[in-house]
Amino acid sequence: AQKITQTQPGMFVQEKEAVTLDCTYDTSDQSYGLFWYKQPSSGEMIFLIYQGSYDEQNATEGRYSLNFQKARKSANLVISASQLGDSAMYFCAIRGGNSGGGADGLTFGKGTHLIIQP
Amino acid sequence: GAGVSQSPRYKVTKRGQDVALRCDPISGHVSLYWYRQALGQGPEFLTYFNYEAQQDKSGLPNDRFSAERPEGSISTLTIQRTEQRDSAMYRCASSLHPPWVRAETQYFGPGTRLLVL
Repeated sequence: AQKITQTQPGMFVQEKEAVTLDCTYDTSDQSYGLFWYKQPSSGEMIFLIYQGSYDEQNATEGRYSLNFQKARKSANLVISASQLGDSAMYFCAIRGGNSGGGADGLTFGKGTHLIIQP
Repeated sequence: GAGVSQSPRYKVTKRGQDVALRCDPISGHVSLYWYRQALGQGPEFLTYFNYEAQQDKSGLPNDRFSAERPEGSISTLTIQRTEQRDSAMYRCASSLHPPWVRAETQYFGPGTRLLVL
Protein backbone atom coordinates (compact mmCIF):
# COMPACT_ATOMS: atom_id res chain seq x y z
CA ALA A 1 0.00 0.00 0.00
CA GLN A 2 1.07 3.56 -0.62
CA LYS A 3 0.54 6.75 1.36
CA ILE A 4 0.96 10.44 0.57
CA THR A 5 1.32 13.13 3.22
CA GLN A 6 0.87 16.81 2.42
CA THR A 7 1.46 18.76 5.62
CA GLN A 8 0.46 22.22 4.39
CA PRO A 9 -3.34 22.57 4.32
CA GLY A 10 -3.05 26.14 3.04
CA MET A 11 -0.45 28.63 1.89
CA PHE A 12 -0.48 32.34 1.10
CA VAL A 13 2.26 33.55 -1.24
CA GLN A 14 3.01 36.91 -2.78
CA GLU A 15 2.77 37.08 -6.56
CA LYS A 16 6.08 36.48 -8.41
CA GLU A 17 7.60 34.64 -5.46
CA ALA A 18 8.66 31.01 -5.73
CA VAL A 19 6.52 28.42 -3.93
CA THR A 20 7.42 25.01 -2.54
CA LEU A 21 4.61 22.58 -1.81
CA ASP A 22 5.62 19.67 0.40
CA CYS A 23 4.90 16.02 -0.29
CA THR A 24 6.23 12.96 1.47
CA TYR A 25 5.33 9.43 0.55
CA ASP A 26 5.48 5.90 1.83
CA THR A 27 5.65 2.81 -0.34
CA SER A 28 7.15 -0.65 -0.23
CA ASP A 29 7.54 -0.73 -4.01
CA GLN A 30 10.97 -0.30 -5.58
CA SER A 31 9.48 1.12 -8.76
CA TYR A 32 6.89 3.86 -8.48
CA GLY A 33 5.80 7.13 -10.00
CA LEU A 34 4.96 10.44 -8.38
CA PHE A 35 2.50 12.92 -9.87
CA TRP A 36 1.29 16.41 -9.11
CA TYR A 37 -2.14 17.66 -10.13
CA LYS A 38 -3.70 21.11 -9.91
CA GLN A 39 -7.37 21.59 -9.09
CA PRO A 40 -8.59 25.16 -9.61
CA SER A 41 -11.88 26.39 -8.21
CA SER A 42 -13.58 25.20 -11.40
CA GLY A 43 -13.02 21.66 -10.16
CA GLU A 44 -11.05 20.12 -13.00
CA MET A 45 -7.94 18.03 -12.31
CA ILE A 46 -4.95 19.19 -14.34
CA PHE A 47 -1.80 17.06 -14.62
CA LEU A 48 1.34 19.09 -13.92
CA ILE A 49 4.43 16.92 -13.61
CA TYR A 50 5.71 13.35 -13.20
CA GLN A 51 8.77 11.87 -11.48
CA GLY A 52 9.78 8.23 -11.78
CA SER A 53 11.54 6.54 -8.89
CA TYR A 54 14.49 5.60 -11.07
CA ASP A 55 14.83 9.01 -12.72
CA GLU A 56 18.22 10.43 -11.87
CA GLN A 57 17.28 14.01 -12.61
CA ASN A 58 14.53 16.10 -11.10
CA ALA A 59 11.57 16.58 -13.43
CA THR A 60 10.84 20.01 -14.85
CA GLU A 61 7.87 21.32 -16.85
CA GLY A 62 7.97 25.02 -17.56
CA ARG A 63 7.59 26.88 -14.26
CA TYR A 64 7.09 23.60 -12.39
CA SER A 65 9.91 21.51 -11.05
CA LEU A 66 10.02 18.60 -8.68
CA ASN A 67 12.55 18.45 -5.84
CA PHE A 68 12.87 14.66 -5.58
CA GLN A 69 14.79 13.31 -2.58
CA LYS A 70 14.42 9.56 -2.74
CA ALA A 71 16.22 8.73 0.51
CA ARG A 72 13.93 11.10 2.39
CA LYS A 73 10.87 9.95 0.40
CA SER A 74 9.93 13.47 -0.51
CA ALA A 75 8.73 14.93 -3.81
CA ASN A 76 8.16 18.63 -3.31
CA LEU A 77 6.66 20.74 -6.09
CA VAL A 78 8.37 24.04 -6.81
CA ILE A 79 6.54 26.75 -8.74
CA SER A 80 8.79 29.55 -9.88
CA ALA A 81 7.59 33.13 -10.36
CA SER A 82 4.07 32.48 -9.07
CA GLN A 83 1.08 34.00 -10.85
CA LEU A 84 -2.45 34.80 -9.70
CA GLY A 85 -3.68 31.94 -11.87
CA ASP A 86 -1.67 29.49 -9.78
CA SER A 87 -4.21 29.84 -6.96
CA ALA A 88 -5.72 26.36 -6.62
CA MET A 89 -5.62 23.08 -4.72
CA TYR A 90 -2.52 21.02 -5.43
CA PHE A 91 -2.48 17.26 -5.00
CA CYS A 92 0.50 14.96 -4.82
CA ALA A 93 -0.11 11.35 -5.86
CA ILE A 94 1.80 8.09 -6.10
CA ARG A 95 1.36 5.01 -8.23
CA GLY A 96 3.23 1.94 -7.16
CA GLY A 97 4.37 -1.10 -9.06
CA ASN A 98 2.31 -4.20 -9.69
CA SER A 99 2.31 -5.28 -6.09
CA GLY A 100 -1.44 -5.50 -5.85
CA GLY A 101 -3.70 -3.74 -3.40
CA GLY A 102 -4.91 -1.01 -5.69
CA ALA A 103 -1.54 -0.48 -7.33
CA ASP A 104 -3.24 0.37 -10.58
CA GLY A 105 -4.82 3.53 -9.25
CA LEU A 106 -3.27 6.69 -7.92
CA THR A 107 -3.10 7.32 -4.18
CA PHE A 108 -3.57 11.01 -3.46
CA GLY A 109 -2.72 13.23 -0.52
CA LYS A 110 -5.20 15.61 1.06
CA GLY A 111 -3.89 18.54 -0.93
CA THR A 112 -2.55 22.03 -0.30
CA HIS A 113 -4.70 25.08 -0.95
CA LEU A 114 -2.41 27.70 -2.49
CA ILE A 115 -3.50 31.33 -2.66
CA ILE A 116 -1.39 33.81 -4.60
CA GLN A 117 -1.79 37.37 -3.39
CA PRO A 118 -1.22 40.42 -5.65
CA GLY B 1 -8.92 16.83 -29.12
CA ALA B 2 -11.82 16.07 -26.83
CA GLY B 3 -11.01 15.26 -23.23
CA VAL B 4 -12.70 12.89 -20.82
CA SER B 5 -16.39 13.65 -20.50
CA GLN B 6 -18.81 12.63 -17.77
CA SER B 7 -22.54 12.80 -17.41
CA PRO B 8 -24.55 13.95 -15.71
CA ARG B 9 -22.48 16.74 -14.19
CA TYR B 10 -24.84 16.95 -11.23
CA LYS B 11 -27.16 14.33 -9.83
CA VAL B 12 -29.55 14.74 -6.93
CA THR B 13 -31.32 11.59 -5.80
CA LYS B 14 -33.25 10.29 -2.87
CA ARG B 15 -31.85 7.74 -0.48
CA GLY B 16 -32.54 4.23 -1.67
CA GLN B 17 -32.58 5.06 -5.39
CA ASP B 18 -30.11 3.61 -7.89
CA VAL B 19 -27.90 5.95 -9.91
CA ALA B 20 -25.77 5.39 -13.01
CA LEU B 21 -22.84 7.65 -13.79
CA ARG B 22 -21.34 7.68 -17.25
CA CYS B 23 -17.76 8.23 -18.39
CA ASP B 24 -16.59 8.73 -21.98
CA PRO B 25 -12.78 8.46 -22.06
CA ILE B 26 -10.39 10.08 -24.50
CA SER B 27 -10.62 8.26 -27.82
CA GLY B 28 -8.09 5.44 -28.05
CA HIS B 29 -7.30 5.32 -24.34
CA VAL B 30 -7.17 1.72 -23.20
CA SER B 31 -7.24 2.33 -19.46
CA LEU B 32 -10.13 3.82 -17.50
CA TYR B 33 -10.28 4.60 -13.80
CA TRP B 34 -12.99 5.66 -11.37
CA TYR B 35 -12.29 7.78 -8.31
CA ARG B 36 -14.42 9.34 -5.58
CA GLN B 37 -13.53 12.70 -4.09
CA ALA B 38 -15.06 13.94 -0.86
CA LEU B 39 -15.12 17.67 -0.16
CA GLY B 40 -11.70 18.91 0.92
CA GLN B 41 -9.99 15.59 0.17
CA GLY B 42 -7.97 14.10 -2.63
CA PRO B 43 -9.54 11.60 -5.02
CA GLU B 44 -9.83 8.02 -3.77
CA PHE B 45 -9.34 5.14 -6.21
CA LEU B 46 -12.37 2.92 -6.81
CA THR B 47 -11.75 0.67 -9.79
CA TYR B 48 -9.78 0.25 -13.03
CA PHE B 49 -10.42 -1.20 -16.50
CA ASN B 50 -7.95 -2.32 -19.12
CA TYR B 51 -10.05 -2.28 -22.30
CA GLU B 52 -13.29 -4.02 -21.21
CA ALA B 53 -11.70 -6.06 -18.43
CA GLN B 54 -12.13 -4.86 -14.87
CA GLN B 55 -8.63 -5.45 -13.56
CA ASP B 56 -8.89 -3.95 -10.11
CA LYS B 57 -11.95 -3.22 -8.01
CA SER B 58 -10.19 -3.11 -4.67
CA GLY B 59 -11.37 0.41 -3.95
CA LEU B 60 -15.10 -0.16 -4.34
CA PRO B 61 -16.56 0.51 -0.85
CA ASN B 62 -19.13 -2.31 -0.84
CA ASP B 63 -21.27 -4.44 -3.13
CA ARG B 64 -23.69 -1.60 -3.81
CA PHE B 65 -21.04 -0.18 -6.12
CA SER B 66 -20.36 -1.75 -9.50
CA ALA B 67 -18.84 -0.67 -12.78
CA GLU B 68 -18.71 -1.91 -16.34
CA ARG B 69 -17.06 -1.06 -19.62
CA PRO B 70 -18.61 -3.59 -22.00
CA GLU B 71 -17.06 -2.44 -25.28
CA GLY B 72 -13.81 -1.08 -23.93
CA SER B 73 -14.83 2.55 -24.32
CA ILE B 74 -17.68 4.15 -22.36
CA SER B 75 -17.96 3.09 -18.73
CA THR B 76 -20.80 3.22 -16.25
CA LEU B 77 -20.48 3.34 -12.47
CA THR B 78 -23.66 2.21 -10.76
CA ILE B 79 -24.56 2.78 -7.14
CA GLN B 80 -27.54 0.78 -5.91
CA ARG B 81 -29.72 1.76 -2.96
CA THR B 82 -27.89 5.03 -2.49
CA GLU B 83 -27.13 6.31 1.00
CA GLN B 84 -26.34 9.83 2.17
CA ARG B 85 -22.71 8.87 2.75
CA ASP B 86 -22.39 8.20 -1.00
CA SER B 87 -22.62 11.95 -1.65
CA ALA B 88 -19.35 13.03 -3.29
CA MET B 89 -17.72 13.99 -6.58
CA TYR B 90 -17.21 10.93 -8.77
CA ARG B 91 -14.35 11.32 -11.22
CA CYS B 92 -13.33 9.27 -14.19
CA ALA B 93 -9.84 9.26 -15.68
CA SER B 94 -8.29 7.61 -18.71
CA SER B 95 -4.80 6.88 -19.93
CA LEU B 96 -3.43 5.81 -23.29
CA HIS B 97 -1.53 2.81 -21.93
CA PRO B 98 -1.90 0.51 -18.93
CA PRO B 99 -0.78 2.00 -15.60
CA TRP B 100 2.46 0.07 -15.37
CA VAL B 101 3.86 1.84 -18.43
CA ARG B 102 6.44 4.30 -17.22
CA ALA B 103 5.24 7.88 -16.83
CA GLU B 104 1.72 6.93 -17.90
CA THR B 105 -0.49 9.91 -17.11
CA GLN B 106 -4.13 9.76 -16.16
CA TYR B 107 -6.35 12.51 -17.56
CA PHE B 108 -9.38 13.34 -15.48
CA GLY B 109 -12.90 14.24 -16.47
CA PRO B 110 -14.90 17.08 -14.89
CA GLY B 111 -16.67 14.74 -12.50
CA THR B 112 -20.26 14.06 -11.49
CA ARG B 113 -21.33 15.66 -8.25
CA LEU B 114 -23.76 13.30 -6.53
CA LEU B 115 -26.01 14.45 -3.73
CA VAL B 116 -28.10 11.88 -1.91
CA LEU B 117 -30.93 13.37 0.11
